[in-house]
Amino acid sequence: ETGVTQTPRHLVMGMTNKKSLKCEQHLGHNAMYWYKQSAKKPLELMFVYNFKEQTENNSVPSRFSPECPNSSHLFLHLHTLQPEDSALYLCASSPRGSGGNYEQYFGPGTRLTVT
Amino acid sequence: GENVEQHPSTLSVQEGDSAVIKCTYSDSASNYFPWYKQELGKRPQLIIDIRSNVGEKKDQRIAVTLNKTAKHFSLHITETQPEDSAVYFCAANPSGYALNFGKGTSLLVTP
Repeated sequence: ETGVTQTPRHLVMGMTNKKSLKCEQHLGHNAMYWYKQSAKKPLELMFVYNFKEQTENNSVPSRFSPECPNSSHLFLHLHTLQPEDSALYLCASSPRGSGGNYEQYFGPGTRLTVT
Repeated sequence: GENVEQHPSTLSVQEGDSAVIKCTYSDSASNYFPWYKQELGKRPQLIIDIRSNVGEKKDQRIAVTLNKTAKHFSLHITETQPEDSAVYFCAANPSGYALNFGKGTSLLVTP
């Protein structure tokens, strides 16, 4: 698969588990994003990274911890989640540093269910 | 921060008719306004975008108009087809680093 890939595609975890979501982009982009998509808030921005530096944290609870080791990889570490965290987690990337001015390319998402 | 309002939340049209979705934004610094289409079970994909130095942009059956004074922009789809059925999101960029999305419009085109 080319473009933006995400693993796993589906994840079921208990409230006490620790898991990580992975995103990889093969487009040479410099900005990467995490979004949460749920029925309540269809496309909710969580984190933004430009050139591996976090530039935005949209008031996300600390049980979500992002990591961007390089411009091609983005992780979302999850721990002690709540049932209301169940949602589709989408990763996206865009060229250059000012991602807000350019097309964002989305991954297929990870469907997360917290039991 | 930027607040993007999108209307309507659902829209049903007959095949061949036109569909119009409207968005308003609050931050006058926003200068980029994309529209994304998300089909059921698929990822959002850009269908058209417009920058603040342009008032209208067209791509075949899809057009977007922007009124910077009134802070609103609209998506127009003409000659709708069943494959246009999807959720459409508008967005604006308040800070240059990220996009704020509207809540989406679920468009249904009936044959």
